[in-house]
Amino acid sequence: EVLLVESGGGLVQPGGSLKLSCAASGFTFSVSAVHWVRQASGKGLEWVGRIRTRTNNYATAYAASVKGRFTVSRDDSKNTAYLQMNSLKTEDSAVYYCARLQYGFDSWGQGTLVTVSS
Amino acid sequence: DIVMTQSPDSLAVSLGERATISCKSSQSLLYTSNNNNYLAWYQRKPGHPPKLLIYWSSTRVSGVPDRFSGSGSGTDFTLTISSLQPEDVAVYYCHQYYTTPHSFGQGTKLEIK
Repeated sequence: EVLLVESGGGLVQPGGSLKLSCAASGFTFSVSAVHWVRQASGKGLEWVGRIRTRTNNYATAYAASVKGRFTVSRDDSKNTAYLQMNSLKTEDSAVYYCARLQYGFDSWGQGTLVTVSS
Repeated sequence: DIVMTQSPDSLAVSLGERATISCKSSQSLLYTSNNNNYLAWYQRKPGHPPKLLIYWSSTRVSGVPDRFSGSGSGTDFTLTISSLQPEDVAVYYCHQYYTTPHSFGQGTKLEIK
């Protein structure tokens, strides 16, 4: 069974940092691109960023709203992807999901809540 | 960047009736080299992550009831539920994975009339 489990969410002050993890199991993690998607309360889904595989040089891409502040990385030896979030703003408050891209996002984690507030 | 626009924002349909949701992209999602449209549909219920229903615009995920169907090509796409069931109450999103940044429609809330 494909499983993605996010962790690392919590309450952080504006300007602070947080690092989310996405632990994968049940599939060959190293050959799958990993994406991060978020949903703020009462809002729709927003794509955040992604990291490709070693074959694709671990290429990353980001939404304009987070570029320069967020960094996606991965450790294939641990079957884990990460989302490092710096210079957090109140508008970054959301549930953050990691997802596997096959033909569309076929597997999602349950999400981890990030709250940016003073 | 590709902008995805869904319509309507909300929809109320009687049980057993047809529900139709439209999704338009600001650029073509058809990759001519493989003739695939990089468009997916998701169902989102409270407390659960989105569930992939349709990919390549019209391919139903294994296990998804056949009352769900996707159609369209290029920039205009449709999700149809042929006979609405109570368990279909949810928010539906389209998603383009043609290029980064990926983008989603704003969502369509489907309710029972």
